[in-house]
Amino acid sequence: DVKVTQSSRYLVKRTGEKVFLECVQDMDHENMFWYRQDPGLGLRLIYFSYDVKMKEKGDIPEGYSVSREKKERFSLILESASTNQTSMYLCASSLNNEKLFFGSGTQLSVL
Amino acid sequence: DQQVKQNSPSLSVQEGRISILNCDYTNSMFDYFLWYKKYPAEGPTFLISISSIKDKNEDGRFTVFLNKSAKHLSLHIVPSQPGDSAVYFCAASESTSYGKLTFGQGTILTVHP
Repeated sequence: DVKVTQSSRYLVKRTGEKVFLECVQDMDHENMFWYRQDPGLGLRLIYFSYDVKMKEKGDIPEGYSVSREKKERFSLILESASTNQTSMYLCASSLNNEKLFFGSGTQLSVL
Repeated sequence: DQQVKQNSPSLSVQEGRISILNCDYTNSMFDYFLWYKKYPAEGPTFLISISSIKDKNEDGRFTVFLNKSAKHLSLHIVPSQPGDSAVYFCAASESTSYGKLTFGQGTILTVHP
């Protein structure tokens, strides 16, 4: 089975901090994604990557950046955390255009 | 602009009965549709999918129907079980988009014993 591992289940950060969310997948998938989930809004795509060092903006990239130095690892960076970035963050990976496999999520609270 | 919409925030069903979850989309370029199930504090898990060349796909208790002319899909769960209680998301993608999925807002399904 595909395993997508997110480094933290819960994080609490202060406004203005730089935050790193890490994600690792073990199935050699080309594509990796970062979504955030908020009540009533579903899952919204922040950034995705279709190859090492390649990245594309999703629907809500403002305030975020990403890094993909190795195929199995995709990092989401909040440059200066704000309270409106309190959310559940979900990493996913996929092979070609097939279904996405998700990690367990990181619940981030920005105080 | 919400390209995928689930207009029912919640649905309550009795155990053993049918659950029908609905989803509408506006982007005519979407050609692959999926349903995901999500429990609290867990990531979404894939449930069932359908390509735009089909109008029905079945997997055990789960059946997805696609009506391309109406830009509408639905998920039927028969019979519903208490363990099916979760949030259900429909999602759609274009074949040229690296598998990028656009999700609906989700429907909370509660199955009562």
